[in-house]
Amino acid sequence: DTGVSQDPRHKITKRGQNVTFRCDPISEHNRLYWYRQTLGQGPEFLTYFQNEAQLEKSRLLSDRFSAERPKGSFSTLEIQRTEQGDSAMYLCASSKVAGGLPYEQYFGPGTRLTVT
Amino acid sequence: GQQVMQIPQYQHVQEGEDFTTYCNSSTTLSNIQWYKQRPGGHPVFLIQLVKSGEVKKQKRLTFQFGEAKKNSSLHITATQTTDVGTYFCAGRRPSGNKLVFGAGTILRVKS
Repeated sequence: DTGVSQDPRHKITKRGQNVTFRCDPISEHNRLYWYRQTLGQGPEFLTYFQNEAQLEKSRLLSDRFSAERPKGSFSTLEIQRTEQGDSAMYLCASSKVAGGLPYEQYFGPGTRLTVT
Repeated sequence: GQQVMQIPQYQHVQEGEDFTTYCNSSTTLSNIQWYKQRPGGHPVFLIQLVKSGEVKKQKRLTFQFGEAKKNSSLHITATQTTDVGTYFCAGRRPSGNKLVFGAGTILRVKS
């Protein structure tokens, strides 16, 4: 399977705990995006990378959230001191960029986080 | 900040009827993309529109981008049960690289 993969698919954690999610993009894609989706809403942009550089981060993202893409391949999203409001589906997407034009985004299956 | 609104939120149609969802942005867009998300699934890319007034067709689906590049629509002719899901538009500003998604339109089809 050469699509975008995410791990884990489900995570249940207690309030206050830290969690880390992993995303493996399509191998030739240089852009990687993180989104959060709650029921009845569209994906909400969190951050994106071009290769290993984090180029934009949503102002809605608190400092409890951090993302890395150390070698320009896979990426991790960490949430520290989780709160119940963090419960959501966390989606990763990747895309190519050529000539400054972004191509379509390919989404992974998501990690569903439940904070109890 | 940039907002993308979609209407209707929900539509329930009889199989064979047509369906249209509308997308409006508060700002001019450089391009707009449409995605479909099946229940329990993840968003899947359908199409990208770039030019003012552009119209693209994919079988029974017709996509339009407004002349002012602030609105778009998706029309499905003669819906089938396989069309069920949530349809999202997502717009990109000329100065930015992120996509802003609408809340989506949920389509249910009665057979």
